[in-house]
Amino acid sequence: GQNIDQPTEMTATEGAIVQINCTYQTSGFNGLFWYQQHAGEAPTFLSYNVLDGLEEKGRFSSFLSRSKGYSYLLLKELQMKDSASYLCAVRDGKAGTALIFGKGTTLSVSS
Amino acid sequence: DTGVSQNPRHKITKRGQNVTFRCDPISEHNRLYWYRQTLGQGPEFLTYFQNEAQLEKSRLLSDRFSAERPKGSFSTLEIQRTEQGDSAMYLCASSWEGLQETQYFGPGTRLLVL
Repeated sequence: GQNIDQPTEMTATEGAIVQINCTYQTSGFNGLFWYQQHAGEAPTFLSYNVLDGLEEKGRFSSFLSRSKGYSYLLLKELQMKDSASYLCAVRDGKAGTALIFGKGTTLSVSS
Repeated sequence: DTGVSQNPRHKITKRGQNVTFRCDPISEHNRLYWYRQTLGQGPEFLTYFQNEAQLEKSRLLSDRFSAERPKGSFSTLEIQRTEQGDSAMYLCASSWEGLQETQYFGPGTRLLVL
């Protein structure tokens, strides 16, 4: 089957660093995506990994280990506006080009 | 680049009525996807088009759902004989096929079936 797991909720304080983990089990693999979604809004693309390793983009970094079926999103220097849901999604490839999403991790940043 | 747009943004309807949503993708994108998202869940794939051809349909897409992309540009999603379980956010995304294909989402249409 296809399964993507991520924690339901996380909390952190402004200025801190937070790591959101994602594990996946899919029949194929053709890329892993992270999206940010504020309440009532559309998902916004954050990062893409297809090879093992770390991709850095400003305050956000994403890591992938294909052998472990594992990824994380690292957010540095947290700001209040980072309070949102973070969605991990996998493109299975074998099952088509659509993305398979996890349920999302709701991150609350407090001052 | 104006991004992906969707209309209407909100729709309230009574059970048994038909509804139609529209999605306008990013102009140079040849792929268009429809997803459905309910509260506390991630988006779930419904169907996808490459140009005007509908290439994939999820098992979630019952016979009451139909989607079109007649000229390979905008797309419509119609739900016939709506049920309360159809209440959800309907998201459209577009992309350009390629090695690092990335889907960009529109703001969604929030449907409430009473």
